[in-house]
Amino acid sequence: RKEVEQDPGPFNVPEGATVAFNCTYSNSASQSFFWYRQDCRKEPKLLMSVYSSGNEDGRFTAQLNRASQYISLLIRDSKLSDSATYLCVRKISGNTPLVFGKGTRLSVIA
Amino acid sequence: EPEVTQTPSHQVTQMGQEVILRCVPISNHLYFYWYRQILGQKVEFLVSFYNNEISEKSEIFDDQFSVERPDGSNFTLKIRSTKLEDSAMYFCASITDRISEKLFFGSGTQLSVL
Repeated sequence: RKEVEQDPGPFNVPEGATVAFNCTYSNSASQSFFWYRQDCRKEPKLLMSVYSSGNEDGRFTAQLNRASQYISLLIRDSKLSDSATYLCVRKISGNTPLVFGKGTRLSVIA
Repeated sequence: EPEVTQTPSHQVTQMGQEVILRCVPISNHLYFYWYRQILGQKVEFLVSFYNNEISEKSEIFDDQFSVERPDGSNFTLKIRSTKLEDSAMYFCASITDRISEKLFFGSGTQLSVL
């Protein structure tokens, strides 16, 4: 059973659009959640952490729903530079390793 | 921003050969990791390393794999006898401490086994 599931996409959106990705997880013991961004054949980079209260960083908003076991990422006013794969990531606790979803590919088109 | 450095960026080897992938984690970091990503697949955990020993490993990390921190700065992943299915991008990562949220990844070594 997959631990972190994401819609692989691709999501093709015009510049300026708002786009939302969802991710579901199966391990209810998971404590921490993150969104990472990965450009083609590059390393993953932390985009933002996800909290139950929701958090916002500029055009990006992340939400966690523990009852339904899903995480979301909303990108407003999409830029061409937002084109990448967005990885949903969970960690159970402390020093346990990160578990990555397969990622959702976003292409922002001019 | 500090960086995790990996060498080489590309490694081509014959099946059955040994390879060593090298990483220099960020100097004040305490926990080190190897992950791999087969083309088109998700990033998968291989092993974590703390205080000069393995703290956790996945089922992928079998007897063909080993890690070392030989000189206090380099962190290496050795694959003893490579198989075709070992072809992947291998990422080294490090983190300050167990409660820190930000894992720093190196730019990866693309391993191709022929």
